[in-house]
Amino acid sequence: SQTIHQWPATLVQPVGSPLSLECTVEGTSNPNLYWYRQAAGRGLQLLFYSVGIGQISSEVPQNLSASRPQDRQFILSSKKLLLSDSGFYLCAWSVLDGYTFGSGTRLTVV
Amino acid sequence: GQNIDQPTEMTATEGAIVQINCTYQTSGFNGLFWYQQHAGEAPTFLSYNVLDGLEEKGRFSSFLSRSKGYSYLLLKELQMKDSASYLCAVPNNAGNMLTFGGGTRLMVKP
Repeated sequence: SQTIHQWPATLVQPVGSPLSLECTVEGTSNPNLYWYRQAAGRGLQLLFYSVGIGQISSEVPQNLSASRPQDRQFILSSKKLLLSDSGFYLCAWSVLDGYTFGSGTRLTVV
Repeated sequence: GQNIDQPTEMTATEGAIVQINCTYQTSGFNGLFWYQQHAGEAPTFLSYNVLDGLEEKGRFSSFLSRSKGYSYLLLKELQMKDSASYLCAVPNNAGNMLTFGGGTRLMVKP
């Protein structure tokens, strides 16, 4: 079966610290992978998507970056977090009948 | 570009019926998705409409009118656990990215 793993579930980081969120998928090959962010009470904003290893497209300018070192691994990073980076981060992969989301990471930058 | 509009909040009574509307504007059309998202959790897939008409899945139904750029999600026999945000989403022309509306937060009251 196809599953998606995302960790950590919650994270509290000081302003200026680095960030690394990891997402892995199982049970599929060459998936399209996505990082979304959801601010409190807001909709989902697409940050990055990847159609293959090393292929990253960015949808919004920001101090975040993404990498895909392996087919089923998608990483969201930052060198220096800002207060505005706080939010709920969701990894997703697309299948024919829609997207499957990871369980999300609640990031609070303090 | 793509533009999606849905009401921000709705309130309904347990046992009643509620209709959540979504209007969209896209350069092409590759279907429309509805997701349910409980607070602090990842969105879960509810429905996918690509043809006009009503599709029923138990207590939930989804309707699409492509000519009007309009969809709605119909929830019958409301239960307290239906309190959640409901997200309308449309894919881009290539079908490899989803754009989400801001979500409708539904509060079910006893």
